[in-house]
Amino acid sequence: IQLTQSPSSLSASVGDRVTITCRASQGISSHVAWYQQKPGKAPDLLIYGASTLQSGVPSRFSGSGSGTDFTLTISSLQPEDFATYYCQHLNSSPITFGQGTRLEIK
Amino acid sequence: EVQLVESGGGLVQPGGSLRLSCAASGFIFSNYYMDWVRQAPGRGLEWVANIRQDGGDINYVDSVRGRFTISRDNAKSSLYLQMNSLRVEDTAVYYCIAATTFMGGRYYLDFWGQGTLVTVSS
Repeated sequence: IQLTQSPSSLSASVGDRVTITCRASQGISSHVAWYQQKPGKAPDLLIYGASTLQSGVPSRFSGSGSGTDFTLTISSLQPEDFATYYCQHLNSSPITFGQGTRLEIK
Repeated sequence: EVQLVESGGGLVQPGGSLRLSCAASGFIFSNYYMDWVRQAPGRGLEWVANIRQDGGDINYVDSVRGRFTISRDNAKSSLYLQMNSLRVEDTAVYYCIAATTFMGGRYYLDFWGQGTLVTVSS
């Protein structure tokens, strides 16, 4: 199963609302997670089960979707949100990740 | 506090072998799936392998199947990745991950180690 994220990169300003999409090559129910990765650090789990917020993650992050189309939304960008974001499916083996979306400061 | 500490990375020639280890603490290791994920320099994330709590279910990405072996020792709270016939394209940071969040029949990868760098080069 291939995951295609769009856009691959994105420039935005503090306070902006941002949406990243992840499309699967076949249906994957809601077995999707989203991660945030900052340079030189391990990824952090943000969302699992397509829409459940991981404990400790700010409520400005939200996820939605099922089947083949999924979205990660950040409602109001904060300076610490500039990072790379990955979607991931766990529907079947092998688990795969999207290619990543780099979110940069405009 | 959950801690995952990888070790065993380093420089190896193509065709060589390395064994990665991951020491886990702060949670009941034997209760959860464990995974390895890698990231080549400047590239995205690639899932490598996982292993069920009892070691009875093991999965690999196609690119490493037959060359890498994942294993665990629940008595020692440790995860391993034996890597043989290494290739230049295996060069990456390798992360050990505990999948402790369970939903919809799936264990999500929620605790990550700091990673260990494996460099395959002549």
